[in-house]
Amino acid sequence: QVLLVQSGAEVKKPGASVKVSCKASGYTFTSYYLHWVRQAPGQGLEWMGIVNPGGGSTSYAQKFQGRVTMTRDTSTTTVYMELSSLRSEDTAVYYCARGDYYSADYWGQGTLVTVSS
Amino acid sequence: QAVLTQPSSLSASPGASASLTCTLRSGINVGTYRIYWYQQKPGSPPQYLLRYKSDSDKQQGSGVPSRFSGSKDASANAGILLISGLQSEDEADYYCMIWHSSALVFGGGTKLTVL
Repeated sequence: QVLLVQSGAEVKKPGASVKVSCKASGYTFTSYYLHWVRQAPGQGLEWMGIVNPGGGSTSYAQKFQGRVTMTRDTSTTTVYMELSSLRSEDTAVYYCARGDYYSADYWGQGTLVTVSS
Repeated sequence: QAVLTQPSSLSASPGASASLTCTLRSGINVGTYRIYWYQQKPGSPPQYLLRYKSDSDKQQGSGVPSRFSGSKDASANAGILLISGLQSEDEADYYCMIWHSSALVFGGGTKLTVL
C-alpha cells in the first residue's frame, strides 16, 4: 500500500532553517510527483510547491520562492523540504502528498514545526 | 477575493444529505476545472475523496463510499460535494481544491457537524 512517512516534530528558533523528510513506499517512486502542503494551527491548507522525483525538477508557490528548497533522493525514495529564515508564522503542520502535477491523493502523517524563541 | 470560497460550517442530521459548496471567484469558470474534495478529521491528514469535472470526467477515491459524490452548479459557478445518508463518522472538515495559476489552491474548508 502507498505509504508516506514523515520525520518527527521540530522546534526551531526564528531565523533558523528546518528540513522535513518524507519517505515513500508502496509504489514506483519516480512515477508520481510529491507536493508539500502546510496547515497552520486551526487554519486551512496552503500549497508550498512540488518536486518531480523522477528528474528532480521543482516548482514553488510564489509566497515561498527564495525560502524553500525541495529535493529528492531516489536511492532512499525520500523527498525533502527545507524552509529557511523561519518566523513564528511558519508554525504549522507540514504534509507531503503524492499525486500528479495537478492534484494529490495520498498524504503523509504530517510534521509539526514550531517556531519559537 | 479568494479563488475558492466555502461556507465555514454546516450542520445536518444523521441519515440526511449534506451539500457542501465551493464557489469559484468571478472570472474563473467552474466548467473548465477539475474540482477535488478532501476530508480531514482532527489530528489526521487530509484524505482524498473524489474529483469531479463532468459526468464523463470524474473519479472516486480508493475505498470512498458511493454516498460521496460530486457535481457542479454552473449558474452559481460552484462545485458541490454531496454526502447522502449522513453518518456520525462524516463529521469532519472538508476542503475543495483546484489547480489554478500554476498552483494547487484550496478553499478555506467547511466544518460539517452531524447532529
